[in-house]
Order: sequence, then C-alpha cells, then structure tokens
Amino acid sequence: GENVGLHLPTLSVQEGDNSIINCAYSNSASDYFIWYKQESGKGPQFIIDIRSNMDKRQGQRVTVLLNKTVKHLSLQIAATQPGDSAVYFCAENLSGNTGKLIFGQGTTLQVKP
Amino acid sequence: NAGVTQTPKFQVLKTGQSMTLQCAQDMNHNSMYWYRQDPGMGLRLIYYSASEGTTDKGEVPNGYNVSRLNKREFSLRLESAAPSQTSVYFCASTRPRVAVEKAFFGQGTRLTVV
Repeated sequence: GENVGLHLPTLSVQEGDNSIINCAYSNSASDYFIWYKQESGKGPQFIIDIRSNMDKRQGQRVTVLLNKTVKHLSLQIAATQPGDSAVYFCAENLSGNTGKLIFGQGTTLQVKP
Repeated sequence: NAGVTQTPKFQVLKTGQSMTLQCAQDMNHNSMYWYRQDPGMGLRLIYYSASEGTTDKGEVPNGYNVSRLNKREFSLRLESAAPSQTSVYFCASTRPRVAVEKAFFGQGTRLTVV
C-alpha cells in the first residue's frame, strides 16, 4: 500500500504487505530528515533518519528514500505487522545548530490482519 | 532510565487561568523543545532552548512563555489560557549535533481549556 499526495491522511494495508508512506518537505535548504512513529497516547518515537547527502538509508524492515529534486521523502516498511499501526510523521531540520524540527501532517497507517 | 518526563499528563483549565507545564530530562541533553499537536496535524514548535540560559521562539509562540531553569528542566507557561490552546503538548530534548541528532519526546500533556 502507498499514500500519494499531501492530503491523504490514512493508509490501510494488509498484514505482510509492504507499506510506502510519502512526505513532501518544504525547504530546499533542509539538510536532515527524520521519520517518527506515534502510537495512540504516546509521544513520537524516532524510526530512521537521513542526511541530504544521501538518497537512501536502510534500517531494520524500514527504508527511507530522499529525492531532493522534488523535495520528497518516503518511508518503506517491509512485511507490515499489526504493531506498525500508528501515525507516521516526517520532519525536516531547518537549522544545523539547534536541531529545530518542522513536522509534516502525518499519515495514519492501519494494518489489517 | 526516565528519559523525558512531563507533568501533568492531563489538565483542564478555565479560560483566563494560568498554569505551568513541567518538563525534565535526565539524558544530559543541551537542547529542549516544546511542541503542540492539534487533531489531525503534525507537531508545531512553540519555543526551544538550544542550551541552558537561552530560549527562542518557534512557529507558534503567542500566548506562551518558557523558562530554562537549568540543563534538565524546561517549563512552558500559559499566563491566560484560551480555548485555542486546547491541545496536546510535547516536550522533547536532543543532544548536540555530533553525527546525528534525534529528539526524545515525553509522553505528552493533554490540555483542555473550557
């Protein structure tokens, strides 16, 4: 499953399928990007990050892709599990010193058993 | 390890009342932040403190004040609460940029202003 566009807040996928969550960021000068996962009633949790000098970075079951040309970021989750159900936020770092993060609106991932 | 601790977890205020949201981190992080999260939206930065003794405005600072009491603690004050300040408030902290920088978030404070 994949969400497209900026205004599709929910992505529903079947357990075991791959998920792709997309994000468009706003500032071409941003040099650092992070994906967060937020479960209901909890604060955001770091998933994976990527610097602007990279196009791709892989973690455990997750991959982040960065396309600076179109200012687009995506999070791929392999073999999606029920525990992956959450809201996913991308964030961009506009400042190299303070680490001030600007968050996107978020995408709700629903995993169907 | 406690990480980032926020108090209280829930609060109901009447319009015009004041209150202070407390945040403390035990990770020796230099930078601390206050965000608010409204339904269906991402987090918006209210204020941040790059280091002890400094504070700066974020995206939505109006109606709030902050105090970086020491390296561990960063408080957010609402002097005269308004219904528009009903939100979930998150405190976060980060260590100085060395290789990568990752914010650690508290559990949030759910504030309702009636």
